[in-house]
Amino acid sequence: AQRVTQPEKLLSVFKGAPVELKCNYSYSGSPELFWYVQYSRQRLQLLLRHISRESIKGFTADLNKGETSFHLKKPFAQEEDSAMYYCALIENDYKLSFGAGTTVTVRA
Amino acid sequence: GAVVSQHPSWVICKSGTSVKIECRSLDFQATTMFWYRQFPKQSLMLMATSNEGSKATYEQGVEKDKFLINHASLTLSTLTVTSAHPEDSSFYICSAQAPHNEQFFGPGTRLTVL
Repeated sequence: AQRVTQPEKLLSVFKGAPVELKCNYSYSGSPELFWYVQYSRQRLQLLLRHISRESIKGFTADLNKGETSFHLKKPFAQEEDSAMYYCALIENDYKLSFGAGTTVTVRA
Repeated sequence: GAVVSQHPSWVICKSGTSVKIECRSLDFQATTMFWYRQFPKQSLMLMATSNEGSKATYEQGVEKDKFLINHASLTLSTLTVTSAHPEDSSFYICSAQAPHNEQFFGPGTRLTVL
């Protein structure tokens, strides 16, 4: 069963505009959620995790248990934010379940 | 952050041959490593969990005799694609689990089977 859903496959925004990547999850326990980013020709790397409650590169994500969402937001997108973003959920046995990913393109 | 390497970064082989891919955690020990497969412009699909000193656990639909995993030390896991066929062509990515459940990913290995 699909545990992590990213409804947008592609997202295009202009530089300086806000960007929001949607992520919804289904999990019966207490979820631990992550956002990973993959820049062009680079490896997948952790962007942020919900338990840290921190802002990385201007991105934030808040876990909303009522809506089972973990949307990623940035108020002012930059060209270097163009990348593939994956929302992921960790299960009890430490396995990561990834969403389908969202390709973000920030236009000048 | 921690570094995970993969070798080779790309490999081309003939159909029917076997290919071994190595995954190493360079500056930390990982009792658990994971192997993923990624198709172009698609998400990562978990293939198996590699546990140091014990048998790997495979996800549903992944043939354990086709994709042999060995995790002989705390810093090395290997994935061997046996009797490879063109449909096995893909991008294979490993990750190593560090403390606090964070996974660090390797750069991936591009396998092309002719």
